[in-house]
Amino acid sequence: DVKVTQSSRYLVKRTGEKVFLECVQDMDHENMFWYRQDPGLGLRLIYFSYDVKMKEKGDIPEGYSVSREKKERFSLILESASTNQTSMYLCASSSQARYNEQFFGPGTRLTVL
Amino acid sequence: AQSVSQHNHHVILSEAASLELGCNYSYGGTVNLFWYVQYPGQHLQLLLKYFSGDPLVKGIKGFEAEFIKSKFSFNLRKPSVQWSDTAEYFCAVNPILTGGGNKLTFGTGTQLKVEL
Repeated sequence: DVKVTQSSRYLVKRTGEKVFLECVQDMDHENMFWYRQDPGLGLRLIYFSYDVKMKEKGDIPEGYSVSREKKERFSLILESASTNQTSMYLCASSSQARYNEQFFGPGTRLTVL
Repeated sequence: AQSVSQHNHHVILSEAASLELGCNYSYGGTVNLFWYVQYPGQHLQLLLKYFSGDPLVKGIKGFEAEFIKSKFSFNLRKPSVQWSDTAEYFCAVNPILTGGGNKLTFGTGTQLKVEL
């Protein structure tokens, strides 16, 4: 079974703090994705990566950055957290072979006070 | 940019009722189509997918979906729902573009509640 894990289920941070969300997958997938999930808005893609050290902007990259130093790990960084970044953050991975069938982690519920 | 519409935001059904959730997308080219489900407190998981071939696809737990290219639709169906089908359902579309850059666009989700 594909396993995608995220470093925290719940996180509370203060406005202006730097926040790191970590995601690890154990299936040697090439592709990794970060989404945020908000009620009534569905999932919106923040950033994705097709390979180590490669990254591409998704639909809502403003206020976020990412890092992929190793194939299995994809980090989402909020340089200076703001209250409008309070959300559920989902990480996903997929193999090029199983074209775009994405496997999701359990999510991190981030609250910015 | 492509978009995905799920017109039913909240659906309430009694057990054994039939289910149909609508999904329409805006991209005119070749697409891969998905339905994902998120049960309460659980992570998002794949329900079924369409890549090519028979436009009627069957997924887990008795769900099926039909791809109608002329209507840009990929509606999800189940003949008889169970209480355990209570969940949020997301339609997702991957337009097949040349040169890479493919990614999923999700709909806003449909919250299904099945009452006993």
